[in-house]
Amino acid sequence: NAGVTQTPKFQVLKTGQSMTLQCAQDMNHNSMYWYRQDPGMGLRLIYYSASEGTTDKGEVPNGYNVSRLNKREFSLRLESAAPSQTSVYFCASSGHLNQPQHFGDGTRLSIL
Amino acid sequence: SQQGEEDPQALSIQEGENATMNCSYKTSINNLQWYRQNSGRGLVHLILIRSNEREKHSGRLRVTLDTSKKSSSLLITASRAADTASYFCATPPQGGSEKLVFGKGTKLTVNP
Repeated sequence: NAGVTQTPKFQVLKTGQSMTLQCAQDMNHNSMYWYRQDPGMGLRLIYYSASEGTTDKGEVPNGYNVSRLNKREFSLRLESAAPSQTSVYFCASSGHLNQPQHFGDGTRLSIL
Repeated sequence: SQQGEEDPQALSIQEGENATMNCSYKTSINNLQWYRQNSGRGLVHLILIRSNEREKHSGRLRVTLDTSKKSSSLLITASRAADTASYFCATPPQGGSEKLVFGKGTKLTVNP
């Protein structure tokens, strides 16, 4: 079982560049999430999708956009990358409301 | 806003000893979840305890929940070097939101 797959695993960008982080799950989960993890800050929710066709802002949505492409895939886009967006990004999914989340292994993103 | 706060921030013990981590939260909850994160990996769900439960076991893990004190504890018995990881509590606030809120974690080091 692959679970939650994130691509790429590592990326270096220059300030102002754009990119899309990809996430796919094979567990037939309804809900998907994007988090960022920074030292000393824990995990912070960027955006989430409660079900296919819906997306909502989390705690730190500024500078990001998301697309729930279908039930399996949830992408995160940085339109104009800034050094403050240097972080480790995690995608997660869960079956239903408040159920345990399954995480991918993260994308390590550096913006110079 | 931070919902769960783990204590201590870091814990170092010898193999074979027990490790206890605590989590305090602010608002009423439906359940409380504990996760583990090994270095460089995504979070892994360990155990979920519902608001009407007081104690739950899973292998060497024991979780307690005191809703009157808004606190939970995670006990790992007979720890092993492989238990070295960061441990996070996460709470979905009551009200139906899927915004699971994570604490900043306890970094556990188990010395061989």
